[in-house]
Amino acid sequence: LAKTTQPISMDSYEGQEVNITCSHNNIATNDYITWYQQFPSQGPRFIIQGYKTKVTNEVASLFIPADRKSSTLSLPRVSLSDTAVYYCLVGAYPGSARQLTFGSGTQLTVLP
Amino acid sequence: EAGVTQFPSHSVIEKGQTVTLRCDPISGHDNLYWYRRVMGKEIKFLLHFVKESKQDESGMPNNRFLAERTGGTYSTLKVQPAELEDSGVYFCASSQGVGMAPQHFGDGTRLSIL
Repeated sequence: LAKTTQPISMDSYEGQEVNITCSHNNIATNDYITWYQQFPSQGPRFIIQGYKTKVTNEVASLFIPADRKSSTLSLPRVSLSDTAVYYCLVGAYPGSARQLTFGSGTQLTVLP
Repeated sequence: EAGVTQFPSHSVIEKGQTVTLRCDPISGHDNLYWYRRVMGKEIKFLLHFVKESKQDESGMPNNRFLAERTGGTYSTLKVQPAELEDSGVYFCASSQGVGMAPQHFGDGTRLSIL
């Protein structure tokens, strides 16, 4: 199973760009990288998924270097409501849901 | 579009009793997943349905847990008999098609075993 390593916590201020990096040194060839956001007492919320280079959607960007051993979730201009735990997961689909272990995540705190 | 719905939101039962959790995925989603977070631990995979078939149940902890998805719509997860270590939050997720991670999670059922 591809193990991921993320910072335990990060602080930021409103309006800033936040970059959360995840290490996954033993990522497999057919693995995708997926990021989730979770608020207290809620289920995880899918943010973005990518395989290589850069992926962008309406809420975030995901940067993946050529060796794919790490990835960076970029949140532009965060607000207080972005305070949450962010999880980086690595796995292949279909058939790899068992690899979808959430880990400890990164607690992002956005300050006013 | 209605999201993934789980029922009940909370359940408190005594050790040895039976509890059944229900998950209604987003309509039309063939993939349905169950996960759980036991106290202080990480969210871990339990099993994956594709329509009514169990694609992967490698995460089911033991034979006290039984998941069903009759007709490929809603799913139930029964714990019988419940033990203290089963306490935690049980999440359900759904997605459509292949190649994508589970995209829609419910808010979970918080299960407390006394």
